[in-house]
Amino acid sequence: DQQVKQNSPSLSVQEGRISILNCDYTNSMFDYFLWYKKYPAEGPTFLISISSIKDKNEDGRFTVFLNKSAKHLSLHIVPSQPGDSAVYFCAASEFTYNNDMRFGAGTRLTVKP
Amino acid sequence: KAGVTQTPRYLIKTRGQQVTLSCSPISGHRSVSWYQQTPGQGLQFLFEYFSETQRNKGNFPGRFSGRQFSNSRSEMNVSTLELGDSALYLCASSLGRTNTGELFFGEGSRLTVL
Repeated sequence: DQQVKQNSPSLSVQEGRISILNCDYTNSMFDYFLWYKKYPAEGPTFLISISSIKDKNEDGRFTVFLNKSAKHLSLHIVPSQPGDSAVYFCAASEFTYNNDMRFGAGTRLTVKP
Repeated sequence: KAGVTQTPRYLIKTRGQQVTLSCSPISGHRSVSWYQQTPGQGLQFLFEYFSETQRNKGNFPGRFSGRQFSNSRSEMNVSTLELGDSALYLCASSLGRTNTGELFFGEGSRLTVL
């Protein structure tokens, strides 16, 4: 039961351009969403989050947008840098303290110099 | 501050055997979650422990079990191993209370079942 879906397994963009990673979810009870980044041979690391009371959260080059009616969120990276090349996981949970987080399958981002 | 530590990092087992993986959370973190990562499936939630009690459980068979000790360290066990259990097993810790919800992951234990 894949409650969180990342339909694009991979994405390639040119350095300096915008990267847009998408995520869809099916559980309307989810109200907290996060993005994690994972480099090879390392565990995922937290990138940015958003709660359902907001539709946008920004942190430097990273912005997450949430569209609750469409059950869709996206991560924008502007400008993209080669060091951003990694696998990005979208995650969702019902409460901020509930660590029963559901993850998507991940999108491998490659930023070409 | 030391991060989440998982041992062993790599291990090879044969079908039918059992395996125990260990996770030491960040000091002060009382919640430990376990995830299985396989290609194309992303991170599948196994279970979460808080103060030695299992709070949540994912959709895995009973061959997968875990526990948490009073010092918050956690172990997970997989019995009667199957080929499909080959995966990266990730442990994550957090304070466990209302917070940003951020999980801190270890580097994982890569299990290969032959």
